[in-house]
This record gives sequence, structure tokens and C-alpha cells, in this order.
Amino acid sequence: AQSVAQPEDQVNVAEGNPLTVKCTYSVSGNPYLFWYVQYPNRGLQFLLKYITGDNLVKGSYGFEAEFNKSQTSFHLKKPSALVSDSALYFCAVSARYSNDYKLSFGAGTTVTVRA
Amino acid sequence: DTAVSQTPKYLVTQMGNDKSIKCEQNLGHDTMYWYKQDSKKFLKIMFSYNNKELIINETVPNRFSPKSPDKAHLNLHINSLELGDSAVYFCASSQRGQGAWEKLFFGSGTQLSVL
Repeated sequence: AQSVAQPEDQVNVAEGNPLTVKCTYSVSGNPYLFWYVQYPNRGLQFLLKYITGDNLVKGSYGFEAEFNKSQTSFHLKKPSALVSDSALYFCAVSARYSNDYKLSFGAGTTVTVRA
Repeated sequence: DTAVSQTPKYLVTQMGNDKSIKCEQNLGHDTMYWYKQDSKKFLKIMFSYNNKELIINETVPNRFSPKSPDKAHLNLHINSLELGDSAVYFCASSQRGQGAWEKLFFGSGTQLSVL
């Protein structure tokens, strides 16, 4: 079965400091990996995805993620966090399901950026 | 202008009642989904439809019945509501033709509270 794990329930950083949100995956075949963000009382928004190619993927709002095949990880990063980055972050993997694909999410990591 | 809109935003009802949540997308996407987010923020797919055809049907009680009158709409009807149905329900859509790396566009959610 395909799955992702987010080992940290919460991440707290000071504004201006680097932010890392961890994700590891378990898939058979090629991994298609995603990051989504959920702001309070809102739906999820797509941040970035990895399909193939360059291991460093750049996305929205200054976020990037690094795909590491040997460590089966896809960590989300931002060099300098903002208070407005405080939100719930989900890692996800797209896996084959019957004749289609299904996106399965990790448990989420709550990020709090303090001023 | 809202890409994926769902109504109502809040739904408070008694156990045993029947209720519906409506979802519409104006993105021209082929595929629509229902996800359930529980109190611990865990997201789980319930159903997906492609061009009005049911594709994914996870282990959801048959009290839940999705209906897709056309590819822009996917409604969720719930019979005999139970306390455990209390959650936030998200509708989403995507362009299926892109395959495993399609990104999802989410509605803002319907918070269902069963008393």
C-alpha cells in the first residue's frame, strides 16, 4: 500500500528562521508526491508536486521541497518563515487505484510561526 | 469566481435526520471528489466521480450516497445521520487527463455537527 508519514504533529519556528516540515513515503513504483496547505476554516491549497526530474521542487509562497529517493523523503522547506505561514501542512502521495489514481494524505503537521 | 463551491458551510442537525451537501465546480474539470476530515484533521477520501461515473468508493457506510447530475456537480446525501458523522466534508475537483500528478482544487468545506 502507498502511504506517507509526517512524523511531527507540530513545528514551531520564529519568524525569519528556516522552516522544515518532514514527510517520508512508501510506494511501489514511481512516487508522485505533493504538498498542500490548509489555513484555518479553509480548504486545502496545492503548494507543489514532484513527478520526476530535478530533486528540488519549487512551489507557491516561497516554499520548496527536496525529493530524496535513498531516504524516501520529501521534506517541505522555506528559507525564511513568515507569521502568515502558520497553517496545517499535508504531504500526499498519488497511487494507482483501479483504473484511476487516488491521492492519500499524511496526518498533517501544524506549523506555528511566532513573531 | 469561486472555483469549487460547496453549500452549506455549516450544518447542524439531529441524529437520524437525512441531509445533503452540494458541490459545484466551474473549472471545467472531469473529476470530482468527496473527502472527510475528522476532528484530528485526518483527511480520507470517500468517493470520486469522473464524468458522472463513480471511480473510487472507499469503505464508506451505504448511508452515504454521492450523486453527480453532471460533471460540474457532485452532491453528497447522508441518511440516518449518526454522531460519528460529525466532521468537515470537503469537495474537490481535478483534471483527470493529467493522470497521477493531477492537483486537486478544494472547496472551503462543510462542517457537519450531528447532535
